[in-house]
Amino acid sequence: QKEVEQDPGPLSVPEGAIVSLNCTYSNSAFQYFMWYRQYSRKGPELLMYTYSSGNKEDGRFTAQVDKSSKYISLFIRDSQPSDSATYLCAMSAKSNYQLIWGAGTKLIIKP
Amino acid sequence: EAGVTQFPSHSVIEKGQTVTLRCDPISGHDNLYWYRRVMGKEIKFLLHFVKESKQDESGMPNNRFLAERTGGTYSTLKVQPAELEDSGVYFCASSLGRLAPDTQYFGPGTRLTVL
Repeated sequence: QKEVEQDPGPLSVPEGAIVSLNCTYSNSAFQYFMWYRQYSRKGPELLMYTYSSGNKEDGRFTAQVDKSSKYISLFIRDSQPSDSATYLCAMSAKSNYQLIWGAGTKLIIKP
Repeated sequence: EAGVTQFPSHSVIEKGQTVTLRCDPISGHDNLYWYRRVMGKEIKFLLHFVKESKQDESGMPNNRFLAERTGGTYSTLKVQPAELEDSGVYFCASSLGRLAPDTQYFGPGTRLTVL
């Protein structure tokens, strides 16, 4: 069983829709949870960073962590075609430590 | 400020040859990480430097892989001899290492193809 499960998609939605991306994990030691965005032929770019449980909002993006269910989510409001990319969840047990990654979900926003 | 840079962007070699990948981290970043993504799989951790020291090399697949970080600045990852299964995208990331949470910034990756 993988430590982090993420549906690879693709997920296709119309422009303006609310997008929900999710990951589940099995290791209860994970404390740091990240969402990265990756455009084709580029490196992952950090979008959101959450420590332990709770919600975090940044503009159109909201990250949620539910440690009791071992489930994390990223919501994108008012989605734009420029949001089309692969979204990867990553997590670690400590700061300054190796990241454990999901497979990435390919998101397509249709104009 | 320049981001993490990697060279080359793409390398095509034959099985049995040697390849060296280079990573230049963001200036002032003590932590440097190597990750790899092979086709159809998740990104996997390879190793972690703190300055010039190897903090964690638990992800290195075998002794054909050798990583160095000269003077705590740039890092190289050598694969010798390369095998078909080494094909993939090799990412380097760097972080300050003095804050929690500590953000890892990624380079564009080196795409390695072993024929």
